[in-house]
Amino acid sequence: KNQVEQSPQSLIILEGKNCTLQCNYTVSPFSNLRWYKQDTGRGPVSLTIMTFSENTKSNGRYTATLDADTKQSSLHITASQLSDSASYICVVHNTDKLIFGTGTRLQVFP
Amino acid sequence: DTAVSQTPKYLVTQMGNDKSIKCEQNLGHDTMYWYKQDSKKFLKIMFSYNNKELIINETVPNRFSPKSPDKAHLNLHINSLELGDSAVYFCASSQDLWQGAGYTFGSGTRLTVV
Repeated sequence: KNQVEQSPQSLIILEGKNCTLQCNYTVSPFSNLRWYKQDTGRGPVSLTIMTFSENTKSNGRYTATLDADTKQSSLHITASQLSDSASYICVVHNTDKLIFGTGTRLQVFP
Repeated sequence: DTAVSQTPKYLVTQMGNDKSIKCEQNLGHDTMYWYKQDSKKFLKIMFSYNNKELIINETVPNRFSPKSPDKAHLNLHINSLELGDSAVYFCASSQDLWQGAGYTFGSGTRLTVV
């Protein structure tokens, strides 16, 4: 069964701190892995996309890693800002559709 | 310029009614999708269309009928609405089906069935 699991389910951090979100997947076949940010009341917005051969990819303060052997990915957020408060969703592209994780709800407090 | 636009943003209706949600993309993409986000915030695909042709129908009740008049539009019609249909529905588009390049989501339509 194609599944994408994320941890933690929710996370609270103080502004300026770093955090790391985890993703494990059992999706086959695998096209690529994406991390999305979803603000409340908005659609998901892509942060990074990684193919099978890519181990790490950065987008500003966001750095994603991918271990295709263990089928794990992480999203590291550096120097968090209040605007980082959102849900972060790990998504695997399964040939013709996206398989979504349940997301990590991040709250950044001043 | 909104890349993927859905209307309406909010929809409140009674059980048994028929309603439609419209979606338009101005990105020139070939593929469009409908996703449903349930109360637990979990997104799951419902339909995909590639060049106006239905590609994916993920065991969605046949009360849901997508219609793609052209590549830029994918509307969702729902008959005989039920309480369980309450959710946020997201339209999306991508350049292609198999790599999902340029995947872009609309801002969602919150459907509440009372």
